[in-house]
Amino acid sequence: GAVVSQHPSRVICKSGTSVKIECRSLDFQATTMFWYRQFPKQSLMLMATSNEGSKATYEQGVEKDKFLINHASLTLSTLTVTSAHPEDSSFYICSASLEGAIGYTFGSGTRLTVV
Amino acid sequence: AQSVSQHNHHVILSEAASLELGCNYSYGGTVNLFWYVQYPGQHLQLLLKYFSGDPLVKGIKGFEAEFIKSKFSFNLRKPSVQWSDTAEYFCAVNARPAGANNLFFGTGTRLTVIP
Repeated sequence: GAVVSQHPSRVICKSGTSVKIECRSLDFQATTMFWYRQFPKQSLMLMATSNEGSKATYEQGVEKDKFLINHASLTLSTLTVTSAHPEDSSFYICSASLEGAIGYTFGSGTRLTVV
Repeated sequence: AQSVSQHNHHVILSEAASLELGCNYSYGGTVNLFWYVQYPGQHLQLLLKYFSGDPLVKGIKGFEAEFIKSKFSFNLRKPSVQWSDTAEYFCAVNARPAGANNLFFGTGTRLTVIP
């Protein structure tokens, strides 16, 4: 079945630094990947849609200069949190869909803590 | 805009009790409906999905859900819960035709099953 790998699973960084999170589709090609953010005891909120070979589409209220998304290949999308601050601490989850299918596989998530 | 409501934030049941988790969505068009489960420390996993056809959908681990179009609902049910069903359950909706093919999630329901 479709597997999405997300790395790292947990990261602690200092305020002001940047953190890169990787999302890979292991056994299928994903032209579209999605990045979600989950606050404690809240639902997943879509941040952006990552399209291979083109610019990501950001949801309203998400700063594209702060959350840089790169989808350089059909199996890899990266989310870089630039100049991280404590309020960026959250659980970030990516998902991908098989081409032509309506179904979603989620990565295991990355817990970011900014100190 | 689409939205998904899960009315129960935390449900506590004893083993063997029956379960029903509510999910209502607001969208006037045709939708795809999903239930995901997130076990403690694990990533989201698909329980079941509805695209078309029989409105009663069977999923994994004995779960089922019924799509009632007139009520905009997609409630999750299980006749007899087990301790291992303790998890967070998320209802999600994807509109058809899908512009971005992304999911809108409810806020989740935490299920605690007492042995």
